[in-house]
Amino acid sequence: DTAVSQTPKYLVTQMGNDKSIKCEQNLGHDTMYWYKQDSKKFLKIMFSYNNKELIINETVPNRFSPKSPDKAHLNLHINSLELGDSAVYFCASSPASLPSYEQYFGPGTRLTVT
Amino acid sequence: GENVEQHPSTLSVQEGDSAVIKCTYSDSASNYFPWYKQELGKRPQLIIDIRSNVGEKKDQRIAVTLNKTAKHFSLHITETQPEDSAVYFCAASRTGSARQLTFGSGTQLTVLP
Repeated sequence: DTAVSQTPKYLVTQMGNDKSIKCEQNLGHDTMYWYKQDSKKFLKIMFSYNNKELIINETVPNRFSPKSPDKAHLNLHINSLELGDSAVYFCASSPASLPSYEQYFGPGTRLTVT
Repeated sequence: GENVEQHPSTLSVQEGDSAVIKCTYSDSASNYFPWYKQELGKRPQLIIDIRSNVGEKKDQRIAVTLNKTAKHFSLHITETQPEDSAVYFCAASRTGSARQLTFGSGTQLTVLP
């Protein structure tokens, strides 16, 4: 069974469009995350979210917004896409407590903005 | 916020040799240090992690050491194999309710047969 899944795997779109990436985890984890990996492979946290709090990395433009319809899903909405948004976006999830802090990553969504 | 520096950015070793990757962190409150392996086109996957209450952890050919005083930690891979070739990332975080990982910049490890 897939633990953390994302759709779509590839997304090609034009500047100015609005798009969404969906993420689902079936691990029963309490916390979910979005990371951005740029062309130089740098991995940067964008958001973390559990039932109680949303933490937004201060460098993330407000064109990006996470939306969680329920505990198993954390979708990423992006408005007014720009060329610099092209990257691979990874969703991840982790349990809220010990014994493990491991974050499980989804397969990634490669976003290309033209 | 936390800042994690990772060295080297690329590392080539002969099969069977050892590889060492080093990281430093800035936030003295960080207490969780995982290492992730990312193969080309794949997702990052945890290979080993260490919490601040221990100085060393080993899992078969992989070991991690942590020096809290100096704020640095290292990944050691012994008897390297071609399938160890990948990008390795160190990371650091606090163990609060929302544990945001701050990643190092990655090390491209190539194991030459």
